[in-house]
Amino acid sequence: DAKTTQPTSMDCAEGRAANLPCNHSTISGNEYVYWYRQIHSQGPQYIIHGLKNNETNEMASLIITEDRKSSTLILPHATLRDTAVYYCIVMIKAAGNKLTFGGGTRVLVKP
Amino acid sequence: NAGVTQTPKFRILKIGQSMTLQCTQDMNHNYMYWYRQDPGMGLKLIYYSVGAGITDKGEVPNGYNVSRSTTEDFPLRLELAAPSQTSVYFCASREQGLEGYTFGSGTRLTVV
Repeated sequence: DAKTTQPTSMDCAEGRAANLPCNHSTISGNEYVYWYRQIHSQGPQYIIHGLKNNETNEMASLIITEDRKSSTLILPHATLRDTAVYYCIVMIKAAGNKLTFGGGTRVLVKP
Repeated sequence: NAGVTQTPKFRILKIGQSMTLQCTQDMNHNYMYWYRQDPGMGLKLIYYSVGAGITDKGEVPNGYNVSRSTTEDFPLRLELAAPSQTSVYFCASREQGLEGYTFGSGTRLTVV
């Protein structure tokens, strides 16, 4: 599976959009981009995933560049409850595929 | 629909003791996983299973065993607890396909 690079940490103002970048320059054509988050002491929570088209759900939007070498997770209106570590993971679709977690981005939403 | 349930939530073991971490899911998911997370670190895969009767090693399997006799249950066994196994353990499951994983709330284990 391709490796990802994320900033170690970032701050965001409550009520503003939070834009979380992720680089995955070695991504292959059949690898999907997944985003998870982990709020302190809890199990990771699935947010969104995509292959090449932009995706949106009730939690967030995922923007994938045309060359697929990077992506951005957008939390449209960050709240204090969005403070968490956010993981960007690329993974091939295959039987028994396994999530591999890197260091993630520690996001602190401030009032 | 309870999702993924882990028990116990907390446990303190003495060196050399054994225990089983329980994990059960009620979503009829084929795939189940055990991860551990050390303080300040990301999750590392211990074992996984693609269906009842089938298990395989992950990144850090040493010191652990698993079984998958039913679709619902995926217990993790520590035979001889060591201080290096002090960690938070997460169980997860998913349906076959692209759907996201569902994680349990974790078991915080301390070995002293």
